[in-house]
Formats: sequence, C-alpha cells, structure tokens
Amino acid sequence: RKEVEQDPGPFNVPEGATVAFNCTYSNSASQSFFWYRQDCRKEPKLLMSVYSSGNEDGRFTAQLNRASQYISLLIRDSKLSDSATYLCVVITSSGTYKYIFGTGTRLKVLA
Amino acid sequence: ETGVTQTPRHLVMGMTNKKSLKCEQHLGHNAMYWYKQSAKKPLELMFVYNFKEQTENNSVPSRFSPECPNSSHLFLHLHTLQPEDSALYLCASSQVALAGSEQYFGPGTRLTVT
Repeated sequence: RKEVEQDPGPFNVPEGATVAFNCTYSNSASQSFFWYRQDCRKEPKLLMSVYSSGNEDGRFTAQLNRASQYISLLIRDSKLSDSATYLCVVITSSGTYKYIFGTGTRLKVLA
Repeated sequence: ETGVTQTPRHLVMGMTNKKSLKCEQHLGHNAMYWYKQSAKKPLELMFVYNFKEQTENNSVPSRFSPECPNSSHLFLHLHTLQPEDSALYLCASSQVALAGSEQYFGPGTRLTVT
C-alpha cells in the first residue's frame, strides 16, 4: 500500500458544482497535513493546512478523519480557475519529519 | 523580488555536460529543499538543508551535487546526467527543516537530458 494515495482523476465538473477529493494515508502517526494546488507546468502552491477540527477558507473546506486515515478537500461553487491538480501532503515524524506527497487529483471545471 | 526564485527555468543538456541550477528564497526561511517531479509520479525529496547544513540525502546519485552557501541560496550541480533524469526540479523553503511547517516552492527548472 502506498504511503499516500489519491485518485488521479480527472474529475470533470460543471461550473458551480461542489466537488470533493480524498487523500488516504497509511501511517497512523502522521501529524500534519496540507493541500497544495499545482497548475499545469507550474510549481505547487500551498492551498491550505488541514486542522484536526476541520477548517474553511472561502469556498474550500478541509477535513481530517484520523480514524479512517484520510483527509478531504471540498470545493463549493467551482470556478473555471479552480481547474488544476490538487496534491495532498502528509507529514510524519519518527525522529525526523518526513514529507510525503500524493500524486495529485486533477480537476477540470467545465463551462 | 519575493518568494522563491529559480534559474534557469528551462535547461537542455547533453549527458556529458556540467550545469548548475540556482535557487534563491526571499522569505527569511532557514531551510531549503530540492525536489524532483517526474510525470505521473509524486514529488521526490532529494536534499534538505537546515541552517546551511545538509540534513537529508535521499539516496540521490552522485551525479547530483547540492551546495548551500547560505540560508537564502541553494544550488544543484549536475554532471553526466542520464535521460531518465529529465524532470521538473523544484526548490522549496520553509521556516525550519522538516518541522511540520508548510513549504513554499519556486517555479522549477524543467530539465531535459539528451
């Protein structure tokens, strides 16, 4: 089993739709989690951290489910500009911290 | 200039060439990283520097040689590369190394080895 897994997609959704992605992780000792957005041929950019109690930033909501070992990203009222690949990052610590990136989920928002 | 910058943005080199990638961060961070991103693969961490000291080397071949003269600058020296080394090389920085804090990425150097 991969340490971090994401559905590669693509998720094709119409403008205005709500879409959610999950990211599962295998190490129950994982401590910190982030969502990054990566546009085609560009660098990853931090979208949001994921807090234990869940957190929201505008149209974006991140959730953590430790029992089932996954994080999720919900995007409401999708915009064309949301089209990108969304990477999850899981950080574990066993002496030193280890950052593990998922392969990303590709989202296409269609007009 | 703000954030993390990288030069060159694109590089084509032959297998016998020697070239260097440069990264500079203007965020006041103390840690810098090199990552490799190949198509359909997750980002692979190559090297980590914390306060100019190398703390991680994830079994990277010796044809890749990092250099960190200060907390703001990071280089990746390349020599006798292989075609499979063609990828996007991303530099990142964070407040301290691998301490659970978020990383900020530069735009990357797209490397093609012919």
